Amino acid sequence: GAVVSQHPSRVICKSGTSVKIECRSLDFQATTMFWYRQFPKQSLMLMATSNEGSKATYEQGVEKDKFLINHASLTLSTLTVTSAHPEDSSFYICSASQGTGGVLHYGYTFGSGTRLTVV
Amino acid sequence: EDKVVQSPLSLVVHEGDTVTLNCSYEVTNFRSLLWYKQEKKAPTFLFMLTSSGIEKKSGRLSSILDKKELFSILNITATQTGDSAVYLCGLSGSRLTFGEGTQLTVNP
Repeated sequence: GAVVSQHPSRVICKSGTSVKIECRSLDFQATTMFWYRQFPKQSLMLMATSNEGSKATYEQGVEKDKFLINHASLTLSTLTVTSAHPEDSSFYICSASQGTGGVLHYGYTFGSGTRLTVV
Repeated sequence: EDKVVQSPLSLVVHEGDTVTLNCSYEVTNFRSLLWYKQEKKAPTFLFMLTSSGIEKKSGRLSSILDKKELFSILNITATQTGDSAVYLCGLSGSRLTFGEGTQLTVNP
């Protein structure tokens, strides 16, 4: 089945530094990728939707200059947390779909997640 | 705005019990409803439902969708301690929206 590889699985960084998280679809072309954030014991909160070759669409309240998303190819999307602060510590998960635009018929495959701790 | 409401938020049962998890939704442009199981890391896919009234089964788990009443249920029969997890209901409409999840705890 479809596999999404997310890396790194865990990262600890200092306040003020930037962290890049990668999400790769291994055996399919991910036209659309989603980035989620999850706080302990809470549900997945969609941060942004990215389509290959175009700018990401951010959800209300998500700072696009702080959470930079790049979807340069059909198999790779990256999320960069810039100038990280302790409140950015969270679990970040990507998911990918083979669907194009708003036609999402194939379900979603999730990456394994990245636990970010900012100290 | 698309909306997903799951109930109950938390459920504690004993091994062998049968549980029913609920998911109601509001959506502008329905594509599919998805159920996931989340333990420690990323959610794992359980079911994708697109048609009303057709039950999907996988072992002790089953799910069905009612597009008229706008809800879905996830049933787990003969529960085991390994079923303990958060079960997430996701709605694929204009975007993918998740409910808060149901925290299921199965005690020996």
